[in-house]
Amino acid sequence: KNEVEQSPQNLTAQEGEFITINCSYSVGISALHWLQQHPGGGIVSLFMLSSGKKKHGRLIATINIQEKHSSLHITASHPRDSAVYICAVSLAGTASKLTFGTGTRLQVTL
Amino acid sequence: GAVVSQHPSRVICKSGTSVKIECRSLDFQATTMFWYRQFPKKSLMLMATSNEGSKATYEQGVEKDKFLINHASLTLSTLTVTSAHPEDSSFYICSLVGGSVVEQFFGPGTRLTVL
Repeated sequence: KNEVEQSPQNLTAQEGEFITINCSYSVGISALHWLQQHPGGGIVSLFMLSSGKKKHGRLIATINIQEKHSSLHITASHPRDSAVYICAVSLAGTASKLTFGTGTRLQVTL
Repeated sequence: GAVVSQHPSRVICKSGTSVKIECRSLDFQATTMFWYRQFPKKSLMLMATSNEGSKATYEQGVEKDKFLINHASLTLSTLTVTSAHPEDSSFYICSLVGGSVVEQFFGPGTRLTVL
């Protein structure tokens, strides 16, 4: 079993839909990261959080430390949101080293 | 966030040759750099961690003599794939952190194809 699990693996949505991607982890962490990887391969860090909730534009990330679960929400989705979304955790005691989930491939259609 | 560049972005080489990939931080002093590889539709796999001025720490299963890492300065780390083979074809990505900043900043990646 992977230390970081994401669901769903693949997701297709129509433009405007509200999207949720889930991430569960089984280890102690110092922080959880949400990353976005576009088809060209480049990776952008969307959020880094260790508690509560963060919002940036149409993106919202939440984390529940007790339940070891995080969600990434996209409101009013748009085709340009199509990408792979990756959940990664910094293990407790290793502030920088990341353990990655397998990613969620999102396709937003018109 | 920090701006990270990688060069080259894409390289095709013959089997047996060596390929050097550069990872540069353009506006950030990176005390630690990470090198990852990613196979198609797979997650990133950490290859090694490099700290400026010291030897890289390799993950289990990664051959240090095959993947040479040099972190010569706070703004530059290089990964050299020596005697490349077709199975080394992959997407290689660097990331960096600096000082007390835990957030990682990723490079755009280098796609290596070994013929």
